[in-house]
This record gives sequence, structure tokens and C-alpha cells, in this order.
Amino acid sequence: AQKITQTQPGMFVQEKEAVTLDCTYDTSDPSYGLFWYKQPSSGEMIFLIYQGSYDQQNATEGRYSLNFQKARKSANLVISASQLGDSAMYFCAMREGRRYTGANSKLTFGKGITLSVRP
Amino acid sequence: AAGVIQSPRHLIKEKRETATLKCYPIPRHDTVYWYQQGPGQDPQFLISFYEKMQSDKGSIPDRFSAQQFSDYHSELNMSSLELGDSALYFCASSLGRGVRRSPLHFGNGTRLTVT
Repeated sequence: AQKITQTQPGMFVQEKEAVTLDCTYDTSDPSYGLFWYKQPSSGEMIFLIYQGSYDQQNATEGRYSLNFQKARKSANLVISASQLGDSAMYFCAMREGRRYTGANSKLTFGKGITLSVRP
Repeated sequence: AAGVIQSPRHLIKEKRETATLKCYPIPRHDTVYWYQQGPGQDPQFLISFYEKMQSDKGSIPDRFSAQQFSDYHSELNMSSLELGDSALYFCASSLGRGVRRSPLHFGNGTRLTVT
């Protein structure tokens, strides 16, 4: 089963408006972390925001906020006041606890969502 | 701030040739990850190292091998290259064993083209 699901094929938003990018996840581990990365057309992978499964409050980082609904297993990224430079691919990713091994666990990515900001 | 450094940025090889990709993690980061991203695809985990020991293994072909050296840099060795190996290869590093909060910091990637 897919661990991370991003079903929106492509999103368009007008400059200066807010946009929500959807992400649902699947895990049986009670301890996990959720991450959002941005990948512009130039290819680099840029870390945006993190939400831990035990965090009581939704994460915020500047214009980025995470709408974390644990019971629904969703972690949607909200970008406020969109800018032209926000046009990129956005990946939701999860890191599971692996408490039984103690190993640093890998990130598992969703398929990504393309966001285009219109002037 | 120092970032993850990957070399080369671009690499063109022919089928059946070998390639070596290098990665220098952020100083003091103890874990290195390798990912492969095909055109229009999400990154796929290949392999990771913690304190120079292999930590986890993903969908890495047997033709590929990797290691982490005493100075923490890592190399991904790819042999008998196939057309399907053409992809963007990312190295990432993170700090802290079992620290789920620690994000993976990615290098700019090596774009491998096999002709």
C-alpha cells in the first residue's frame, strides 16, 4: 500500500493567494515525522517544513503551514501569499519511527504535486 | 551554511560502462542516504549509511554498490549501466540516530545520462 498519497495532479494559484496541497499517509507506527520538500525545475530538493506525530500544534515556517489532522492521517501544506517563485513540484514525505531497530530511517516520498503560480 | 556536495553535477556514460558518484555530507551529519529520481518520478530510496556502516537498503540494483568512508563522504558505484539508469541521483545527509525530527538535507544531485 502507498505510504504517502498525493492525488492532485497539478495545481494552479493566482499570485498572492493561498493554496493547499493535499497529502495523506499510512503508517502503523505511532511515532513518525512528516516533511514537505519543494523541487523547482532546476532539480534541487529543498526542505520546507516538518510535523511530528506527537506535536500538539500545527507546524509553521514563514509562509508555509501544515494542516495536520492525525485522525484522518492527513498533512496538508498551506502556502500563503503565493509568489511566482513558488512554482515547483512539492513532495510530501514520511519518516517512520523504527523504534525496534533504532536505525535512522529513510524518507518515503509521495508522487508529488506540481504547483503553478499565475501572475 | 555548508550543504551537501555532490559531484559531478552531470555525467554522460554509455551502456555497459561504469560510473562513480560522490557525496560529501554536511559536517557532523552521521547518516548518508542515496536516492534515485527518474524523469517525472518521486525519489526512490537506494541505500543509507550510519557511522560508515550500511543502515538500510532499498531498491538498489545488484549492479550498484555504495560505501561511506572514514571522512564520512560516500560513493555510489554503478556498473554495467543500462538506459534505465538515466536519472537524477541525490545524496542526502541527516544528523542524529533515531531523531525523526531531523530533516534530510539534499545535495543538488547528479544527473546521469546513459546513451
